[in-house]
Amino acid sequence: AQKITQTQPGMFVQEKEAVTLDCTYDTSDPSYGLFWYKQPSSGEMIFLIYQGSYDQQNATEGRYSLNFQKARKSANLVISASQLGDSAMYFCAMRLLMDTGRRALTFGSGTRLQVQP
Amino acid sequence: GAGVSQSPRYKVTKRGQDVALRCDPISGHVSLYWYRQALGQGPEFLTYFNYEAQQDKSGLPNDRFSAERPEGSISTLTIQRTEQRDSAMYRCASSLRNNRGPNTEAFFGQGTRLTVV
Repeated sequence: AQKITQTQPGMFVQEKEAVTLDCTYDTSDPSYGLFWYKQPSSGEMIFLIYQGSYDQQNATEGRYSLNFQKARKSANLVISASQLGDSAMYFCAMRLLMDTGRRALTFGSGTRLQVQP
Repeated sequence: GAGVSQSPRYKVTKRGQDVALRCDPISGHVSLYWYRQALGQGPEFLTYFNYEAQQDKSGLPNDRFSAERPEGSISTLTIQRTEQRDSAMYRCASSLRNNRGPNTEAFFGQGTRLTVV
């Protein structure tokens, strides 16, 4: 079974600073994808970034980057130059990519980020 | 439609009543997922479909929960004889492919907030 662990229930960051949100995962399957979603107070789930287990380089999407350390089974999200609009709940998730694996996402419990002016 | 649409947005029901929650995925999306999200937690997998076929229902908590997607588009999640513990946000998501490849992120609907009184 897959498991996602987010150990930071809440984080504070000053506007314009960078912040790292931690995520560790557990799976015995070699082929998987890692996702980060943002959930603002409005409740929607917004896809941010994806990293495949066989990808050689860390994923980047604008101000978001994923610090993927496969041996440590960690997939931390780095947000650079934080903005007030980044205040939200952030979820790390994983999905197996093999045909016999569960295709649905397994989510962590989330980290609430608050950006302070 | 432009996004995943769920209805109703809010549902209050009396314990023991049946409820049906509807999901209209993005047009052309093959895979459809149902998740349940408790307050302050990450979404928890319930079931998923590829086209009209229910591929995995292992996340349904008990036999009061069922789902269907008869024509491979709109899906209905039904909860029979509702109990207070069923109160949660029920989220639907869809994705373009059947998840064999990477980076097939799921697009989430706004959810249905179910309250059982």
